[in-house]
Amino acid sequence: DTAVSQTPKYLVTQMGNDKSIKCEQNLGHDTMYWYKQDSKKFLKIMFSYNNKELIINETVPNRFSPKSPDKAHLNLHINSLELGDSAVYFCASSPVGRNSPLHFGNGTRLTVT
Amino acid sequence: AQSVTQLDSQVPVFEEAPVELRCNYSSSVSVYLFWYVQYPNQGLQLLLKYLSGSTLVKGINGFEAEFNKSQTSFHLRKPSVHISDTAEYFCAVSGNSGTYKYIFGTGTRLKVLA
Repeated sequence: DTAVSQTPKYLVTQMGNDKSIKCEQNLGHDTMYWYKQDSKKFLKIMFSYNNKELIINETVPNRFSPKSPDKAHLNLHINSLELGDSAVYFCASSPVGRNSPLHFGNGTRLTVT
Repeated sequence: AQSVTQLDSQVPVFEEAPVELRCNYSSSVSVYLFWYVQYPNQGLQLLLKYLSGSTLVKGINGFEAEFNKSQTSFHLRKPSVHISDTAEYFCAVSGNSGTYKYIFGTGTRLKVLA
């Protein structure tokens, strides 16, 4: 009954490769997010979708491309991986509304070698 | 624009002692405030939130926080901590207008010692 699930949990790959992370939520939320957490635990928003429409696109390299096939799914594709992309990537969802808390997945630890 | 400051990167405390984790924010609009906890290798979980009304907010696991508008603070407290409270704690703010997104603080690592 996992509310927000991400796959894979761990991803180890070499520089220059392309990889994808998938996220699904079964909470019926309209808004989904991707956050990046670096080695110092700093959380930075990358993207946000509301009902399949991109509403937040922070300063993220073009190598990162989100895709939302429906409001329950938000995937993240990364091209030409670099060492600096190593981090934990969290998917989250929330109902519409600025006072709505976020529900996080357990994260995907990406290691680029 | 909003910002969140968690001044303490690490807070060691002995088991059964009280603890306070500090959070200050700045915003030009009214805000909603949240505390999240992250246990090792897990995502963030909501501890408590302040939306409006009473400035003292109670959350899960015995935590509470007090919203102080004049000091722009939202400090998290627990009267008696357990070993299991060892985790990373994040304060977050969401403005009620402008760009719709959360801003997270840099986190405070609470380490409870036996």
